Amino acid sequence: GNSVTQMEGPVTLSEEAFLTINCTYTATGYPSLFWYVQYPGEGLQLLLKATKADDKGSNKGFEATYRKETTSFHLEKGSVQVSDSAVYFCAPMIYNQGGKLIFGQGTELSVKP
Amino acid sequence: EAGVAQSPRYKIIEKRQSVAFWCNPISGHATLYWYQQILGQGPKLLIQFQNNGVVDDSQLPKDRFSAERLKGVDSTLKIQPAKLEDSAVYLCASSPGRGDGYTFGSGTRLTVV
Repeated sequence: GNSVTQMEGPVTLSEEAFLTINCTYTATGYPSLFWYVQYPGEGLQLLLKATKADDKGSNKGFEATYRKETTSFHLEKGSVQVSDSAVYFCAPMIYNQGGKLIFGQGTELSVKP
Repeated sequence: EAGVAQSPRYKIIEKRQSVAFWCNPISGHATLYWYQQILGQGPKLLIQFQNNGVVDDSQLPKDRFSAERLKGVDSTLKIQPAKLEDSAVYLCASSPGRGDGYTFGSGTRLTVV
């Protein structure tokens, strides 16, 4: 079946540290890949996406590259800020089921000053 | 552009009572989704509508949950009767079409006591 595995949280970093959140997926067909972010007390917001192999999605200093051969979509940022503290969700979009997002369990990031 | 509107924001009910949530998607978005997000987990799809037809309701507990989308615009999700394990945030999202990420509403936080 379709599934997503994200690295366990919480991840605690100091400001300006390098961030990697690992994501691997199992999906039928050729999914598009998304990262969503959920700030405390808020709804989910689209962070970035990639629609085909080797595409790199980027936004707000975050990047992720679609790696079809390893079925991965790891999220990276070179220098995190306190304001990046949130829960991050990796989600492939499965098209043979009407275009639906399958979410991982989320990875909580806490950035300390 | 106005976002996805949901109401109420919070709801507390006793078990075995009924409850209804309302969602107004972004104008022109044909696809509407209801997700359930239990604390500490990723969102799980309950039902997907394309215009006013159901595309996927395979994970909707149909003995107690129902949803409708009249005239292909607003949608309501109902739980009757509620159980303690239904305590969660219910998220509504809409999308203009295949390949596009969703826009989520702020959600309704349901507490069943």
